[in-house]
Amino acid sequence: GENVEQHPSTLSVQEGDSAVIKCTYSDSASNYFPWYKQELGKRPQLIIDIRSNVGEKKDQRIAVTLNKTAKHFSLHITETQPEDSAVYFCAATGAGNMLTFGGGTRLMVKP
Amino acid sequence: GAGVSQSPSNKVTEKGKDVELRCDPISGHTALYWYRQSLGQGLEFLIYFQGNSAPDKSGLPSDRFSAERTGGSVSTLTIQRTQQEDSAVYLCASSFTGRETQYFGPGTRLLVL
Repeated sequence: GENVEQHPSTLSVQEGDSAVIKCTYSDSASNYFPWYKQELGKRPQLIIDIRSNVGEKKDQRIAVTLNKTAKHFSLHITETQPEDSAVYFCAATGAGNMLTFGGGTRLMVKP
Repeated sequence: GAGVSQSPSNKVTEKGKDVELRCDPISGHTALYWYRQSLGQGLEFLIYFQGNSAPDKSGLPSDRFSAERTGGSVSTLTIQRTQQEDSAVYLCASSFTGRETQYFGPGTRLLVL
């Protein structure tokens, strides 16, 4: 089945700096790659997603890039703010049309 | 419209007792997932229902765990003879099809004493 690896597991940045989280996947047939943000004590919520027919997608301060050849995709957050502090999960579709999640990245933005 | 709902929101039980956790997915969503999340950890996949297909049970940690989805809608996750290591937040998610955005419920926080 699909295997998704996510790095780093923790990331600490200064407010205003950029943060980048990277994921790799194993199933070349995967074609949907969402990113979820989970704040402390809350449920994961979708923040951005990308499909395999595009290489990049932006939404204000967040962007996702996809390299199908290398089978990796990344989340970029610019001008980080304290409220960006959370755990971020990447995911990819795999066999049986099932989403498989990465292990998560704990992002801490220091004011 | 209404999102994914789960009940109970919190459950405290004694070791050895059985528990049932309920998930009401978004109406019309054919795919339903159960995950377990221990404190500070990632999302551990448990089971996946897609339409009328046989569920993918590959994530269930032991035969004490089982799940049903009746009428393609509501799902129940049952844990028999609970152990302290079963303590976690159990999250349910649904999507229109398996390949689309998953919407998570608020979770059930299970504590086994």
